[in-house]
Amino acid sequence: SQQGEEDPQALSIQEGENATMNCSYKTSINNLQWYRQNSGRGLVHLILIRSNEREKHSGRLRVTLDTSKKSSSLLITASRAADTASYFCATDALDMIKAAGNKLTFGGGTRVLVKP
Amino acid sequence: DTGVSQDPRHKITKRGQNVTFRCDPISEHNRLYWYRQTLGQGPEFLTYFQNEAQLEKSRLLSDRFSAERPKGSFSTLEIQRTEQGDSAMYLCASSRDRVGQPQHFGDGTRLSIL
Repeated sequence: SQQGEEDPQALSIQEGENATMNCSYKTSINNLQWYRQNSGRGLVHLILIRSNEREKHSGRLRVTLDTSKKSSSLLITASRAADTASYFCATDALDMIKAAGNKLTFGGGTRVLVKP
Repeated sequence: DTGVSQDPRHKITKRGQNVTFRCDPISEHNRLYWYRQTLGQGPEFLTYFQNEAQLEKSRLLSDRFSAERPKGSFSTLEIQRTEQGDSAMYLCASSRDRVGQPQHFGDGTRLSIL
């Protein structure tokens, strides 16, 4: 079953605009990760934010994490046509018995279309 | 780092047949994961290995499914007596076994059951 919801399910923007998508989850986590998937391909890791971090940047990507609300957001600034893809958040659940780095639980994804 | 490799990329078979998929992880990665993804959904965890040991299996993994990772290198996922509902993309990923390591995914095997 999916860990949580992503919002919006789909997003259409013009090149140069910013894209923001949100992810909510249900359980306590070790970390939360964002992945990109182009049609018919595997997932590409974008950024990982640990449970004790609140914000992280990587190039044009900015991720926030609010563990009190069990939510995260991904912002892509100055979008390009090549950013057209599906974006997924995934949580690595906190497990007091097993070591971290086990299974990831994914949301349903946000499909982003960047129009040139 | 040659990436995670999966074979075949596409498999079409008739209902009731057995199929086997192969995954070659990044060579220095101890952990190997299998996920299933249906159209328009996020991937769902099936099982994972630490070296050759299978440490966790999802309840999605019925007794028709079996996964192996002999010698802790490549892995195979076999589905016996395939059903229509098995049609999906099967994704393999690998990672180091240190805390907070990202998973690296292959391009998947798309299974279509006729």
